[in-house]
Amino acid sequence: GAVVSQHPSRVICKSGTSVKIECRSLDFQATTMFWYRQFPKQSLMLMATSNEGSKATYEQGVEKDKFLINHASLTLSTLTVTSAHPEDSSFYICSARGTDGGALEQYFGPGTRLTVT
Amino acid sequence: QKEVEQNSGPLSVPEGAIASLNCTYSDRGSQSFFWYRQYSGKSPELIMSIYSNGDKEDGRFTAQLNKASQYVSLLIRDSQPSDSATYLCAVRKGAQKLVFGQGTRLTINP
Repeated sequence: GAVVSQHPSRVICKSGTSVKIECRSLDFQATTMFWYRQFPKQSLMLMATSNEGSKATYEQGVEKDKFLINHASLTLSTLTVTSAHPEDSSFYICSARGTDGGALEQYFGPGTRLTVT
Repeated sequence: QKEVEQNSGPLSVPEGAIASLNCTYSDRGSQSFFWYRQYSGKSPELIMSIYSNGDKEDGRFTAQLNKASQYVSLLIRDSQPSDSATYLCAVRKGAQKLVFGQGTRLTINP
């Protein structure tokens, strides 16, 4: 149980274009999903927390107009990187927290490696 | 002071020995603690969660929590080369957020 998928696993895009990343909880309902970014040899940095049906809460320093997050259902959240630039190249990872049994753990998706050329 | 601190390593341990990973945290009110394993190029995988003082064992892994000292550790017994990875300590902040340490890179030498 507690499987989280992400799509795509890798994406290369040109500077100035937008990229959408999907995060799905496959076998549980996720009321809360989290989006992280990880640069090489660094730890995970939380970008935003999204609750189903409401606006995402962004961490300080994360541009909400650049990183659009939608959490329209209990099993799907999307992150859109708008007008991507090379400095946005990173490993983007989502995680989901379920409601079944009051589970407190977060389960991570496999990540999406974004390269902006 | 960082909210969650780990020794970044690298930590080298011979195969079959016990690997000991340590983590300290600054918020004395923290109640939930987690250890994740991350292989290079992959996303983190939850190994253990611990909420009460003392030890919690799961197979070859033992998590230890000491809230008075604001210290949580992970012991890996009978270390295997496949245990070589970066281990991330995470502490729940508030109701939902996890704050991660910088991770400790562990290498098990055959």
